[in-house]
Amino acid sequence: AQKVTQAQTEISVVEKEDVTLDCVYETRDTTYYLFWYKQPPSGELVFLIRRNSFDEQNEISGRYSWNFQKSTSSFNFTITASQVVDSAVYFCALRPLVAGNMLTFGGGTRLMVKP
Amino acid sequence: SAVISQKPSRDICQRGTSLTIQCQVDSQVTMMFWYRQQPGQSLTLIATANQGSEATYESGFVIDKFPISRPNLTFSTLTVSNMSPEDSSIYLCSVEMLAKLDNEQFFGPGTRLTVL
Repeated sequence: AQKVTQAQTEISVVEKEDVTLDCVYETRDTTYYLFWYKQPPSGELVFLIRRNSFDEQNEISGRYSWNFQKSTSSFNFTITASQVVDSAVYFCALRPLVAGNMLTFGGGTRLMVKP
Repeated sequence: SAVISQKPSRDICQRGTSLTIQCQVDSQVTMMFWYRQQPGQSLTLIATANQGSEATYESGFVIDKFPISRPNLTFSTLTVSNMSPEDSSIYLCSVEMLAKLDNEQFFGPGTRLTVL
């Protein structure tokens, strides 16, 4: 069985603050993918990143960075210098590497960035 | 990447009626999935839409309530039958594409359903 836990249900920060969204997962699979998605108020799900379990190298994309720690089963997401447009619900998800398997989503973290 | 469209984008329906949601992809995909997101909740997989055969449903979801069709590699429909207010959700189509050595997975824009 797979499980993804996002312990922070809601975070509120002031613009320009850095914020880290936590994600902890459980799986019996030895190979898997981890994802982060953003869901703005409009409702669409925006893909942010996919990381496979072979690759623990941290990744940075502009103001976004991801810290994958296989030893602690965590895949945390940091937004640097947050902006109001970052306000959204962020979902962490897990899927086995084999094609055709479903995504297991965490409960989501609602991020509110105040001006 | 795949461009996914869903129709309708939103609807308000009366209790006891049914609504069919369409998902169209601009390229052939290997897998198509239907997810439900109840208000304030995370996404839950309803079923995997299989081309030319019956969909594979997850625990808690049944074909009579959520019949699914997938006549070809680019199109699928999900019907929400005999609706009740508890069916008010966003319904999202998701597709998986085999790209190089990775499996890309994308989501449609969603259909926001309100049942009165």
